[in-house]
Amino acid sequence: EAQVTQNPRYLITVTGKKLTVTCSQNMNHEYMSWYRQDPGLGLRQIYYSMNVEVTDKGDVPEGYKVSRKEKRNFPLILESPSPNQTSLYFCASSREHTGELFFGEGSRLTVL
Amino acid sequence: EDQVTQSPEALRLQEGESSSLNCSYTVSGLRGLFWYRQDPGKGPEFLFTLYSAGEEKEKERLKATLTKKESFLHITAPKPEDSATYLCAVQPFRYSSASKIIFGSGTRLSIRP
Repeated sequence: EAQVTQNPRYLITVTGKKLTVTCSQNMNHEYMSWYRQDPGLGLRQIYYSMNVEVTDKGDVPEGYKVSRKEKRNFPLILESPSPNQTSLYFCASSREHTGELFFGEGSRLTVL
Repeated sequence: EDQVTQSPEALRLQEGESSSLNCSYTVSGLRGLFWYRQDPGKGPEFLFTLYSAGEEKEKERLKATLTKKESFLHITAPKPEDSATYLCAVQPFRYSSASKIIFGSGTRLSIRP
């Protein structure tokens, strides 16, 4: 089954404690991205990757890091989380040259 | 500035009561317009892609249409299982990949039995 898998699905942490949200896709997609979804603000892109070792900033990259060492994986790293990073996070993937995104189930993060 | 505005924010309908959701966009050249459905606690699920004015796509009770400034998602004789948030997104022409997809805030649709 084609899917994008994120972990963890739910996480409560404290300010400053580094965390990683993993994302894996099994469709051999070149493109992967991370979004955050906040009430009234819609989905906003954090980072994206066009292929292995190729990443770039989206609209709200501050406080986040990513890496793309393998085609299937695209982890999101919060080095020092702050309460304003409390949000619902989605990983997405797509084939090259298309805007049709496949989304993961989401990771709800709370930073106290 | 590229922008997507959806209206209404929320819509409550009776089962069988047809209606339309609106997506207005401002973009410097449109490569594609997308509709997604999002159920509570789930990731968005792709529904349609529209590329040019006048194009229409249908899936079950849903029909998406596109003009040069807006798109409509028409829902005919909806059922309770059509309740979800519907998201509209645009891809500016200057981006050939999904590197830049701009989402609207969505319309939360509720269908009462």
